[in-house]
Amino acid sequence: DVKVTQSSRYLVKRTGEKVFLECVQDMDHENMFWYRQDPGLGLRLIYFSYDVKMKEKGDIPEGYSVSREKKERFSLILESASTNQTSMYLCASSHRGLRRGQPQHFGDGTRLSIL
Amino acid sequence: SQQGEEDPQALSIQEGENATMNCSYKTSINNLQWYRQNSGRGLVHLILIRSNEREKHSGRLRVTLDTSKKSSSLLITASRAADTASYFCATALLILTGGGNKLTFGTGTQLKVEL
Repeated sequence: DVKVTQSSRYLVKRTGEKVFLECVQDMDHENMFWYRQDPGLGLRLIYFSYDVKMKEKGDIPEGYSVSREKKERFSLILESASTNQTSMYLCASSHRGLRRGQPQHFGDGTRLSIL
Repeated sequence: SQQGEEDPQALSIQEGENATMNCSYKTSINNLQWYRQNSGRGLVHLILIRSNEREKHSGRLRVTLDTSKKSSSLLITASRAADTASYFCATALLILTGGGNKLTFGTGTQLKVEL
């Protein structure tokens, strides 16, 4: 089974702090994704990466950056945390599968509170 | 912007009954995927239907896709209490730079199956 592991289930930080969320997958997937999930808004894509050191903006990249130095690890960085970034953050990974549909495999999420 | 919109937002049924959830979207897609999320957990992929397919089955799940109406439905037959979860549809576009899918999720249907 594919395993996507997020480093923390719950995290509490203060406004202005630099926050790192880590995600590791063990299935040699090329693509990795970061989403945030908020009540009534569903999941929204923040950033994704299709290869080491490659990244593309999703729908809501403002206030976030990402890093992918190794294939199995994808980090989400909140440069200066703000209260409106309090949310559930979900990491996912998938194979490339050119032209074919590819399911995404999700971690259990990090519930981040910014005080 | 969100593509998929699920209907209904919430559904409560008795064990043994069938549950039907609908999803509408706005633009052309490569495929459409359905996911399940148990409370406080990550999403689990259920089924993927490609844009040239009309119906697909997997165990107690049946998915239909009508690209002319830009809509899909998920039917869970003979529901069980363990099916209680949120269900999301996700429309998929190809990631042109590297392959794989970029997903856009709806806001989900909360299904409660009562004993």
